[in-house]
Amino acid sequence: NAGVTQTPKFRVLKTGQSMTLLCAQDMNHEYMYWYRQDPGMGLRLIHYSVGEGTTAKGEVPDGYNVSRLKKQNFLLGLESAAPSQTSVYFCASSFPGGDVTGELFFGEGSRLTVL
Amino acid sequence: GQQVMQIPQYQHVQEGEDFTTYCNSSTTLSNIQWYKQRPGGHPVFLIQLVKSGEVKKQKRLTFQFGEAKKNSSLHITATQTTDVGTYFCAGLRTGGFKTIFGAGTRLFVKA
Repeated sequence: NAGVTQTPKFRVLKTGQSMTLLCAQDMNHEYMYWYRQDPGMGLRLIHYSVGEGTTAKGEVPDGYNVSRLKKQNFLLGLESAAPSQTSVYFCASSFPGGDVTGELFFGEGSRLTVL
Repeated sequence: GQQVMQIPQYQHVQEGEDFTTYCNSSTTLSNIQWYKQRPGGHPVFLIQLVKSGEVKKQKRLTFQFGEAKKNSSLHITATQTTDVGTYFCAGLRTGGFKTIFGAGTRLFVKA
């Protein structure tokens, strides 16, 4: 049982390049999230999904796109990377319970540097 | 939009001293969760509070949820070096789907 797996773990891009971060979970969770973590700013929600085929914007969605074609996968895309997108990206998943979401299970993170 | 504020940003303590971090939301929350992130690691779930005025304990950790469901606190009694890390609160607004995190409190423990 791997939990939440993110690939790649590290990546260096040049400004203007594109890339996709992949998140895969094997817990049959409905909800999936992409967060970015920057020093002193905690975790900020980029996009999230409450089920296969659905996505929604979080706090800082600009410059990112996402897709949830399969329940177990949540992809985060950067179409034209900018230095401001240098960050550590975390994917998380959860199983909703009643009126509240359950605990979030996080991947190990993907460190992205944009030069 | 929903905001979750957390203070202090940093706390240095001597081993054996107590530690408290506070979390305040601009909106009423359905629940509040607490996570711990060790340096270089990923956030790991500690606990979830749902009821107004709820208090939960995990060994030396005490978690509280305010009566108005807009604030919370985490108190660690007699800190140990293993408590080092960043503690985050995360809130879900009533009727919402987005779990929003506070900026975290980084705890340093000197032996």
